[in-house]
Amino acid sequence: GAGVSQSPRYKVAKRGQDVALRCDPISGHVSLFWYQQALGQGPEFLTYFQNEAQLDKSGLPSDRFFAERPEGSVSTLKIQRTQQEDSAVYLCASSRRTGVDTQYFGPGTRLTVL
Amino acid sequence: GENVEQHPSTLSVQEGDSAVIKCTYSDSASNYFPWYKQELGKGPQLIIDIRSNVGEKKDQRIAVTLNKTAKHFSLHITETQPEDSAVYFCAASISSAGNTPLVFGKGTRLSVIA
Repeated sequence: GAGVSQSPRYKVAKRGQDVALRCDPISGHVSLFWYQQALGQGPEFLTYFQNEAQLDKSGLPSDRFFAERPEGSVSTLKIQRTQQEDSAVYLCASSRRTGVDTQYFGPGTRLTVL
Repeated sequence: GENVEQHPSTLSVQEGDSAVIKCTYSDSASNYFPWYKQELGKGPQLIIDIRSNVGEKKDQRIAVTLNKTAKHFSLHITETQPEDSAVYFCAASISSAGNTPLVFGKGTRLSVIA
């Protein structure tokens, strides 16, 4: 595809609701990353997939956060029982290979929890 | 873990002048240093990167230098143009078993005044 796409672009949730954020990486890219970007800050790592395997979830802030990539392409980040502190932009990035390689970012999903 | 510090947080320059952004990192094992440009409402876009076996890299008006001994790297933009106005992020990465999450600085908001 032309690039990494994410949907929805904007999501407003009431505190306590569950949300699901989708990432479509560049076709054929092996590695997929999720980052969280708070307002005025740099992105912070959440989790990493190599194909369908979730190899690192050390950045997930709590057990309310869950990510999957069941067929090694599209990925979903799910947040259960959303809290106000979950408000941020959630960025997805993909890279062609494993190891050190250029990460291409999507436009992000801006989540606002009221 | 890795920590990346970025300065300045804001930078204003006159069109045609040069802009320099500096970053330091803490983990000597880091071996990949990309720079990203982020415009409002968009995801970060890679503008240049450098690996630890290289001291300097240039691409038209953009250059990056790396000093591994001092653990710092810098972005230089020459002949700045209004379209260079954006937030710039430096990042560092350690290649480890295929997992290469980027650790970002807090960003520099560059304003180019016409």
